[in-house]
Amino acid sequence: DAGVTQSPTHLIKTRGQQVTLRCSPISGHKSVSWYQQVLGQGPQFIFQYYEKEERGRGNFPDRFSARQFPNYSSELNVNALLLGDSALYLCASSPRVRDGTDTQYFGPGTRLTVL
Amino acid sequence: QQQVKQSPQSLIVQKGGISIINCAYENTAFDYFPWYQQFPGKGPALLIAIRPDVSEKKEGRFTISFNKSAKQFSLHIMDSQPGDSATYFCAASMTGQAGTALIFGKGTTLSVSS
Repeated sequence: DAGVTQSPTHLIKTRGQQVTLRCSPISGHKSVSWYQQVLGQGPQFIFQYYEKEERGRGNFPDRFSARQFPNYSSELNVNALLLGDSALYLCASSPRVRDGTDTQYFGPGTRLTVL
Repeated sequence: QQQVKQSPQSLIVQKGGISIINCAYENTAFDYFPWYQQFPGKGPALLIAIRPDVSEKKEGRFTISFNKSAKQFSLHIMDSQPGDSATYFCAASMTGQAGTALIFGKGTTLSVSS
């Protein structure tokens, strides 16, 4: 079975631009979460979506937005990019979100570099 | 309240030795504590997880010890191998209508020397 897939693998943008990252969850998984991992740090929670509804939001500015589609894939959008947005963006999927012990399976991430 | 503190930042262990990584948390509402392993260029992969009603869980060479009263938990890697060289993250989450966000520690870089 395919794991979580993310595209693109790498991305280089300049300050002020906008970026869209994409994620396809494991087949059958209805929940998708997004995390930002700055070099040398642990992943930080950005959003969680379940059944196309936002279920959780981390401490990130409104420049960050996301959505989940009927096929449970998801997009993360970041507007007005700042140098500090340079990071590895991770997508994780899980079967459901009702149970806190649901394992979150991570994709390989998208490496975003902002120049 | 939402932090998970992890130590040490880096660890060097000889092949066959025991690697021990510690984490502490403040929020007693956390009810799920997973450990993730991350290799360079890869996403984190779940190693082992525990709930607070259990004091210890073992899977192969990996053991989680959990001390609810001290709000601490640790990962023990027995018979450490060079292939275990990676970054390890502890995490915590809580069940709730706001979703199940994982709160990660800052990570421990483990190097196992042969």
